[in-house]
Amino acid sequence: AQSVTQLDSQVPVFEEAPVELRCNYSSSVSVYLFWYVQYPNQGLQLLLKYLSGSTLVKGINGFEAEFNKSQTSFHLRKPSVHISDTAEYFCAVSAYGSSNTGKLIFGQGTTLQVKP
Amino acid sequence: NAGVTQTPKFQVLKTGQSMTLQCAQDMNHNSMYWYRQDPGMGLRLIYYSASEGTTDKGEVPNGYNVSRLNKREFSLRLESAAPSQTSVYFCASSVDRVSDTQYFGPGTRLTVL
Repeated sequence: AQSVTQLDSQVPVFEEAPVELRCNYSSSVSVYLFWYVQYPNQGLQLLLKYLSGSTLVKGINGFEAEFNKSQTSFHLRKPSVHISDTAEYFCAVSAYGSSNTGKLIFGQGTTLQVKP
Repeated sequence: NAGVTQTPKFQVLKTGQSMTLQCAQDMNHNSMYWYRQDPGMGLRLIYYSASEGTTDKGEVPNGYNVSRLNKREFSLRLESAAPSQTSVYFCASSVDRVSDTQYFGPGTRLTVL
């Protein structure tokens, strides 16, 4: 079984400051890793995903994440945030293997609050 | 191209009432999913359908039933609503593989009194 822990429930940050949202996962098999964003009163949309290859993954809106297998982490970063980045961010994992058929396990979410 | 659509957007039920949440996608995806979102718990999978004609339970299936009506449509039914089912419900779809991106609908906010 897989599990995901997002280490911060809320992250307040000032506009133009850097931010890191932390995600750790647990799994007995190899996984694919995802970050989704949810803007207020909307559904989720994909920010980025790690499938294989380079451990540094770049996504939309200037976000990037680094896969660290030894620490089982997939932290999300942005060097300079904007007010429009205020949203809830979800880390998710999906395990290798045909029996899993795309099932995602989500973390609890981190609310990013960007202040002017 | 509307993506994933859900109806209704809001619903208030009394305990014991039944209702069906509708979901449709126009992306020719094979797999479809129903999640519920509760504060501090992220999203939890209720049921999923890997392909037309198949459905399987997720993490929290109790109290729900689903129907994959055709490739486009995947409905979620609450036969006898309970206050514990007050939540925001999201439908999602993906091409089919475990590595594929899931595309989410706008959600249905359900309150059970």
